[in-house]
Amino acid sequence: GAVVSQHPSWVICKSGTSVKIECRSLDFQATTMFWYRQFPKQSLMLMATSNEGSKATYEQGVEKDKFLINHASLTLSTLTVTSAHPEDSSFYICSAGMTSGRFEQYFGPGTRLTVT
Amino acid sequence: GESVGLHLPTLSVQEGDNSIINCAYSNSASDYFIWYKQESGKGPQFIIDIRSNMDKRQGQRVTVLLNKTVKHLSLQIAATQPGDSAVYFCAENANTGGFKTIFGAGTRLFVKA
Repeated sequence: GAVVSQHPSWVICKSGTSVKIECRSLDFQATTMFWYRQFPKQSLMLMATSNEGSKATYEQGVEKDKFLINHASLTLSTLTVTSAHPEDSSFYICSAGMTSGRFEQYFGPGTRLTVT
Repeated sequence: GESVGLHLPTLSVQEGDNSIINCAYSNSASDYFIWYKQESGKGPQFIIDIRSNMDKRQGQRVTVLLNKTVKHLSLQIAATQPGDSAVYFCAENANTGGFKTIFGAGTRLFVKA
């Protein structure tokens, strides 16, 4: 199946700094990429949807100025957590989707962010 | 708001037994449903899916049942193995403005050897 990678797999940063997480579709072109956040023992919560070359669409309650999403190509989307705080510590998971007759979506392995 | 939910947060089964994980959804516009398995520290792994024009679909050791009348989805795992221990999520997708996949709360499956 299609492969989606994330980098880094884990990151520790200090409060107030910014962190960038990359999501790549390795063997297909993704028309749409999604970013999810998952707190311990909870479900995946959709943060935003991004289409290549256009602005991301954020879910209600997600601050677009804090979680900057860039989808510059059909194989790469980045999520930047700006001015990170301890409450931003979470597991961030991206997924990449493509439409080939029907919509298919593939998930990355996730990035563990810890803000100290 | 509309959501996908689960009846049971945890399920413990004996190795070799069959497992049934249930899920209720409320968005009548959803037309595509997926079950995912998530192991600790990893991303969701696709298990099986079903479209709203079907009521049953079988895979290898897994079966998904869809009851649109009561908006209920279930995942059946035959001959459950220790490697099946994980958290299972049902997810729904409505083909409305972007194919957003919304996840349910999740059920943790424990398989006792």
